[in-house]
Amino acid sequence: DTAVSQTPKYLVTQMGNDKSIKCEQNLGHDTMYWYKQDSKKFLKIMFSYNNKELIINETVPNRFSPKSPDKAHLNLHINSLELGDSAVYFCASSQGLASGLFFGPGTRLTVL
Amino acid sequence: AQKITQTQPGMFVQEKEAVTLDCTYDTSDPSYGLFWYKQPSSGEMIFLIYQGSYDQQNATEGRYSLNFQKARKSANLVISASQLGDSAMYFCAMREGGAGGTSYGKLTFGQGTILTVHP
Repeated sequence: DTAVSQTPKYLVTQMGNDKSIKCEQNLGHDTMYWYKQDSKKFLKIMFSYNNKELIINETVPNRFSPKSPDKAHLNLHINSLELGDSAVYFCASSQGLASGLFFGPGTRLTVL
Repeated sequence: AQKITQTQPGMFVQEKEAVTLDCTYDTSDPSYGLFWYKQPSSGEMIFLIYQGSYDQQNATEGRYSLNFQKARKSANLVISASQLGDSAMYFCAMREGGAGGTSYGKLTFGQGTILTVHP
């Protein structure tokens, strides 16, 4: 069984479009994250939710809006996509705030 | 300032030999955790090993060991008996503060080191 899953795995879209990436974890973890990996492979945190509450928002443009309907899900909606949004987006989860992260397989977003 | 620094953009090792990947960190928090992840060309992030700041012994997981030198703020990953499948990008990461700390559990990553294992 997949522990942290993301859909879609690949997303190709035009500039200006709106898109969503979904994430689900079946580990029973109460903290979930979105990370962005750029073309140079640098990983940077975007958001973190703990028990459905937003606790980290790392100066991400307002065009990015996370939503956590429940502890097991954390979705990422992106409005008005720009070329610079092209990256791999990783969802991750952890048990509480003092443990390591379990990552999803990533979603490769390409904005044309 | 960089919190996690990996100074080796790329490393090469012969199959069956050991290799050390360097990682230094910067924090004033007495409670922190250090992690290593592997990212093969397929793209997934694979957790390898964890070291807590209060752990007295170096962490080991199979062929992976973490050479933790607290005073020097270094947490180097040692891979013994390298295999072709070890070729990947390796990331060092740090979590500052324990539960309830202000980092809220986030990991800060280094720039990564690409390891290539030659047959």
